[in-house]
Amino acid sequence: GAVVSQHPSWVICKSGTSVKIECRSLDFQATTMFWYRQFPKQSLMLMATSNEGSKATYEQGVEKDKFLINHASLTLSTLTVTSAHPEDSSFYICSAKQGSGDNQPQHFGDGTRLSIL
Amino acid sequence: ELKVEQNPLFLSMQEGKNYTIYCNYSTTSDRLYWYRQDPGKSLESLFVLLSNGAVKQEGRLMASLDTKARLSTLHITAAVHDLSATYFCAPGGAGNQFYFGTGTSLTVIP
Repeated sequence: GAVVSQHPSWVICKSGTSVKIECRSLDFQATTMFWYRQFPKQSLMLMATSNEGSKATYEQGVEKDKFLINHASLTLSTLTVTSAHPEDSSFYICSAKQGSGDNQPQHFGDGTRLSIL
Repeated sequence: ELKVEQNPLFLSMQEGKNYTIYCNYSTTSDRLYWYRQDPGKSLESLFVLLSNGAVKQEGRLMASLDTKARLSTLHITAAVHDLSATYFCAPGGAGNQFYFGTGTSLTVIP
């Protein structure tokens, strides 16, 4: 089946540093990937839609200069949290859809737990 | 933006009992997905509902979709402890986007 790999699984860093999270589709090509953020005991909130070869589309209220998304190939999207602060601590999950049809479910990575001290 | 509400938010039930989780959404969508999330883990796809009146069953879970009422249900039959998890519904939006419901945290008590 379709596998989406996220790296790293857990990262702890100091306030003010930048953190990069990778999302890879291992056995399929994904022209579109999605980045979500989930705070404890809350639902997933879509942050942005990552499009291969073009700029990402950000949801309202998400700072594009703080959450940099790069989708340089059909199997890799990266999310960089720049100048991270404690309020950015969260569970970040990426997903990718196999195929272009609307009927396909999204396949989710295992998530990255980000803790900013 | 599509708004999605799930009821209940938290559910504790005994093994062997039945219950239904409801998912209401605010704007038209022709498809809906149900996912399961275990603590600290990512999401696992349960059901893909693609048309009005669609009904799918897998084990003790059955999902249905009424696009006219903008309502989906997830019915649990004879619950077992292994079903304890958080369940999310996600109507499909424009451009392949998903908007997740608030989630229903289910605890099945032996």
